[in-house]
Amino acid sequence: GAVVSQHPSWVICKSGTSVKIECRSLDFQATTMFWYRQFPKQSLMLMATSNEGSKATYEQGVEKDKFLINHASLTLSTLTVTSAHPEDSSFYICSASRSGVNSPLHFGNGTRLTVT
Amino acid sequence: KQEVTQIPAALSVPEGENLVLNCSFTDSAIYNLQWFRQDPGKGLTSLLLIQSSQREQTSGRLNASLDKSSGRSTLYIAASQPGDSATYLCAVLNSGGYQKVTFGTGTKLQVIP
Repeated sequence: GAVVSQHPSWVICKSGTSVKIECRSLDFQATTMFWYRQFPKQSLMLMATSNEGSKATYEQGVEKDKFLINHASLTLSTLTVTSAHPEDSSFYICSASRSGVNSPLHFGNGTRLTVT
Repeated sequence: KQEVTQIPAALSVPEGENLVLNCSFTDSAIYNLQWFRQDPGKGLTSLLLIQSSQREQTSGRLNASLDKSSGRSTLYIAASQPGDSATYLCAVLNSGGYQKVTFGTGTKLQVIP
């Protein structure tokens, strides 16, 4: 079956530093990838939609200059949290699907970010 | 704006019991609905995907139904096992040419041995 790999699975960083999270589709080409954020005991909130070869589409309230998304190839999207602050600590999850609305979403295992 | 609600928020059942999880959505204009399982601190595992034209999907002990007109879906788990303990999320893919998924609030299931 389709597999989405997300790395790292957890990271601890100091305030002011930047952190990059990778999302790879291992056995299919993903024209679209999605980045979600999940706060404790809450559901997933879509942050942005990443389209290969074009700019990401950010949801309302998400700072595009703070959460940089790059989708340079059909198998890789990256999310960079720039100048991280403690309030950015959260669980970040990516998902990917093949093209077409009838394709199921496949999720990575998530990245637990802790900013000290 | 699509809103997805899941009831109950938490459920505790003895092993072997059959159970039903509920998902309701406000906008019936959807392409599909997907049920996921999330273990603590982990990502999501897809369980079942129902297209808008379908009524139900089955996989092993799991059966998901969809009533698009009433904005409801159910996930039926037969003969529950302790390994089924997890949070179950439903998600709808909204129509409109934009692959945007709205997640439900989740049901935390605990199956007691």
